[in-house]
Amino acid sequence: KNEVEQSPQNLTAQEGEFITINCSYSVGISALHWLQQHPGGGIVSLFMLSSGKKKHGRLIATINIQEKHSSLHITASHPRDSAVYICAVNAGANSKLTFGKGITLSVRP
Amino acid sequence: NAGVTQTPKFQVLKTGQSMTLQCAQDMNHEYMSWYRQDPGMGLRLIHYSVGAGITDQGEVPNGYNVSRSTTEDFPLRLLSAAPSQTSVYFCASSYGRVWANVLTFGAGSRLTVL
Repeated sequence: KNEVEQSPQNLTAQEGEFITINCSYSVGISALHWLQQHPGGGIVSLFMLSSGKKKHGRLIATINIQEKHSSLHITASHPRDSAVYICAVNAGANSKLTFGKGITLSVRP
Repeated sequence: NAGVTQTPKFQVLKTGQSMTLQCAQDMNHEYMSWYRQDPGMGLRLIHYSVGAGITDQGEVPNGYNVSRSTTEDFPLRLLSAAPSQTSVYFCASSYGRVWANVLTFGAGSRLTVL
């Protein structure tokens, strides 16, 4: 069974800080997704990656397939980045996603 | 584009009642899926579909039925609601398989079973 662990569980930062959120998984995967869930509940897809690194604005996602680990970095954090960040993985050639429990990030002004 | 539309947003049921959560997308996405989100747990896959006429079970399928008669619609049916089905339900779709495409989520449906 594929386990997806996210750390830290909760995270508080000051505006402007560099933030790293981690995701580890237990089996080989085809792809990893990073999602953002705002306090209102809506879920938005941030990245889908299977190797290397992707960047979008102040967000950077990296994945190390050998170490079964991914990180989501937020540069120059802002209070509007406050949300739950969820990692999900797709193992093998099936259509199922397994999700982590999510990290609650709070960025203080 | 409306994206992924879920209805209703809120629903209260009594134990044993049946209901259908609707999910529709207007992006011609092949893949559609239903998840439930419970406090302290990650999203869990209920059922998914890789195209019209094709459905399969996810991690927690018991008590739920789905069908995919058109590309656009993927309704989730609760046959006989139980308090354990109190949850927030999300529908999501993607253009192709989830190992190569990002997901688009609906706004969620909050269901309470008394």
